[in-house]
Amino acid sequence: DAKTTQPPSMDCAEGRAANLPCNHSTISGNEYVYWYRQIHSQGPQYIIHGLKNNETNEMASLIITEDRKSSTLILPHATLRDTAVYYCIVRVTITIPNTGNQFYFGTGTSLTVIP
Amino acid sequence: GAVVSQHPSWVICKSGTSVKIECRSLDFQATTMFWYRQFPKQSLMLMATSNEGSKATYEQGVEKDKFLINHASLTLSTLTVTSAHPEDSSFYICSARDLFVGATYEQYFGPGTRLTVT
Repeated sequence: DAKTTQPPSMDCAEGRAANLPCNHSTISGNEYVYWYRQIHSQGPQYIIHGLKNNETNEMASLIITEDRKSSTLILPHATLRDTAVYYCIVRVTITIPNTGNQFYFGTGTSLTVIP
Repeated sequence: GAVVSQHPSWVICKSGTSVKIECRSLDFQATTMFWYRQFPKQSLMLMATSNEGSKATYEQGVEKDKFLINHASLTLSTLTVTSAHPEDSSFYICSARDLFVGATYEQYFGPGTRLTVT
């Protein structure tokens, strides 16, 4: 079962930062936070993941609170192509092949970037 | 980056027939692949975990005799929907984990297969 809670929808003006929150109050010490997004009728696309430190890549930044009970995905300059459903997932990262690592998706946040 | 393909991208079949969906990892080896189903305006629901050379592990409520999964090689997993019914119409998505030890173990998703049963 999904262990995250996200707002169902958000709007963001084009060019502005989009801040997408995620609550994962029951997260365990060895569980990572992953973010994926799904553009309509496509497969999900990996964005970023982290354990406890803030992370940044070419797509986004991930801010994880000190108690790790919540996180925020930041798209620094949203474009119309960022309109998608964004999923926050918590999962143990197991380094042994053939074991675990299932993703259980919650309902996600539908982000609409407005011109 | 890692690429996962699915074939076909869409398929229409008649009720009672079977349809096979292929999932391939194109530039990496995947001992583990996952199959999801997504109904309109809903989230992805994990159906099963497919491990190369062994039987798939199905999530609770998913009929293993109806959704046959075969993971015969490190780059190919197939999902066969047997005796399809209109309620099986859905968007089926696969994902794969990279076998390489240095990989970060995020899942790479395929583009999905739209199944319509008439």
